[in-house]
Amino acid sequence: DADVTQTPRNRITKTGKRIMLECSQTKGHDRMYWYRQDPGLGLRLIYYSFDVKDINKGEISDGYSVSRQAQAKFSLSLESAIPNQTALYFCATSDPSGGASNEQFFGPGTRLTVL
Amino acid sequence: AQSVTQPDIHITVSEGASLELRCNYSYGATPYLFWYVQSPGQGLQLLLKYFSGDTLVQGIKGFEAEFKRSQSSFNLRKPSVHWSDAAEYFCAVAAYSSNTGKLIFGQGTTLQVKP
Repeated sequence: DADVTQTPRNRITKTGKRIMLECSQTKGHDRMYWYRQDPGLGLRLIYYSFDVKDINKGEISDGYSVSRQAQAKFSLSLESAIPNQTALYFCATSDPSGGASNEQFFGPGTRLTVL
Repeated sequence: AQSVTQPDIHITVSEGASLELRCNYSYGATPYLFWYVQSPGQGLQLLLKYFSGDTLVQGIKGFEAEFKRSQSSFNLRKPSVHWSDAAEYFCAVAAYSSNTGKLIFGQGTTLQVKP
């Protein structure tokens, strides 16, 4: 079984709809991240979390919110989806016990299309 | 501010030929550097990483990268490319002294392999 899973893998929705993307991990890592990937822009950080009570904004958090329900679960919500949020979304985890090594482990991605 | 630049958006090489993907970073202190690969429809997989020590690092799948502080570069190389290497490649940097776990990604380089 995959260590980091994302659901759904693909989603098509309409402008104005509320969407939740879910991420679960079995690696036992405290840190979790949400990124979006756009062609030519690489991956950009939306939110990250160090533990259940520690949520931090990334570089492009506007229009998004997150919830860390448990150590293993980190959800990303789009309260009112807009077309420019069409992208590939990745969840990642890391284990800070290795120091500042920051190696991250990625899920398979969720392809979101907002019409 | 930290940044990563991958000057080549798209590269095409023939199978069996050598490969070099370029990565330049901007960071004042000692960086942690990573190369990830994203195969079609999959998440990102770590190829290799540099923290300290020997500036030539070996990774999985026959890849290697060389850290050159004077040039602020961390180029990825492979002596003989296989068709299965066709993918998108991302260079990333993290702050050595940071405890945030954040990675800054380059724009990505898409590798096409000709038979």
